Formats: sequence, structure tokens, C-alpha cells
Amino acid sequence: GQNIDQPTEMTATEGAIVQINCTYQTSGFNGLFWYQQHAGEAPTFLSYNVLDGLEEKGRFSSFLSRSKGYSYLLLKELQMKDSASYLCAFDSGGYNKLIFGAGTRLAVHP
Amino acid sequence: DTAVSQTPKYLVTQMGNDKSIKCEQNLGHDTMYWYKQDSKKFLKIMFSYNNKELIINETVPNRFSPKSPDKAHLNLHINSLELGDSAVYFCASSQGEDASYEQYFGPGTRLTVT
Repeated sequence: GQNIDQPTEMTATEGAIVQINCTYQTSGFNGLFWYQQHAGEAPTFLSYNVLDGLEEKGRFSSFLSRSKGYSYLLLKELQMKDSASYLCAFDSGGYNKLIFGAGTRLAVHP
Repeated sequence: DTAVSQTPKYLVTQMGNDKSIKCEQNLGHDTMYWYKQDSKKFLKIMFSYNNKELIINETVPNRFSPKSPDKAHLNLHINSLELGDSAVYFCASSQGEDASYEQYFGPGTRLTVT
């Protein structure tokens, strides 16, 4: 079957670093996505990993290990505006069909 | 410039009614999607069209019928609305159906069935 897990909630301090983990199980896999969703708004794309390793994009980095079914999103120099839900999703092997996790709600405190 | 737009933004209706949600994208994308996000915030794919052709049709009640008059539009019609249909419905588009193409989401339509 297909399954994707991530923590429900996390808190962190402004200026700190936070890592949001995601584990998945699937028979078909075409890549791992991270999306950001502020409350009441649409999800917006953050990153895409299809090969093992780390992809860095400004303050955000995303890591993938296909053999372990594991990914993480690393947010550095946290800002208050980073308070949002972070959705992990994998493409299950065709037609850009994304399977989303329930999301991790991150609260950044001063 | 609005990339992916949906109307209406809010929709309150009674059980048994029929309603439609419209979606338009001006990005020139070939692929469009409908997602449902329930109260627990799970975002689930419902349908996907590529160049007006249905390519993803998840296990969704047949009361839900998508229609794509052209590749810039994907509408969702819902018959005989039920309480459990209450959710936020997001339209999205991508350049193509390949996994590497990011999806751009519309602002969502909050449907409340009473």
C-alpha cells in the first residue's frame, strides 16, 4: 500500500534551524515534494527531490533517501513568516499524481 | 496577474443541492487537477486532466463530475450534495503530467453543506 507520515506539530524559535521529517511507503515512486501552506491559503511549491541527496534553495533545503523511504525539510534562520503547514508528498509513479501527508504545522516563536 | 483562479471562494448550500466550482489557469499549462482538503487538512487528489483528457480519476463518488472545455479550464460539478462534501476544494495546474513539474494551486473554494 501507500503511506506517508510526518509529525503533526513542531515549534521553533526565530533565527533557529528546524528539521521536518517525512517517511513514506510506496511501490511506485517518481519523486518527493515539499509544499508550504499558510493558514487559509493555497499550498505553494518548495522543493522536489528525485535522486538521493540534499537540494539547497536559499534558507530551505530538502533531503531524500529512496532506500530508506525518508525525506526531510531543513529550514534555517527561521522567520515568523515561516509559521505554516509543511506538506510532504510523493509522486506515486505516474501522471504527477501526488500523495500528500497530513502536513506538519510549524509555529515559530520570537 | 492571477495564475490559477477559482470561483466562488465560498459556497454555502443545503444537502441535496447541485453546485459547480470553476477553475481557470492563465499559465499555458497542459495539466489541471482537482484536490479535496478535509477538516484534518489531508489534501487528496480527485481528478486530473491533460489537454482536456481525463488521466487521473480517483475513488470519488460519481456525484462528482469534472469537465474540461479547454485546457485552460477545469470545472467541478457536484450533484446531490452531502454533509461529508464539506471541505476546501483546490484546483491546480502544471506544465505537464511529468513528475518533475511543480503544481500551482488556486486559492481554494470552501464548500459548506448544511
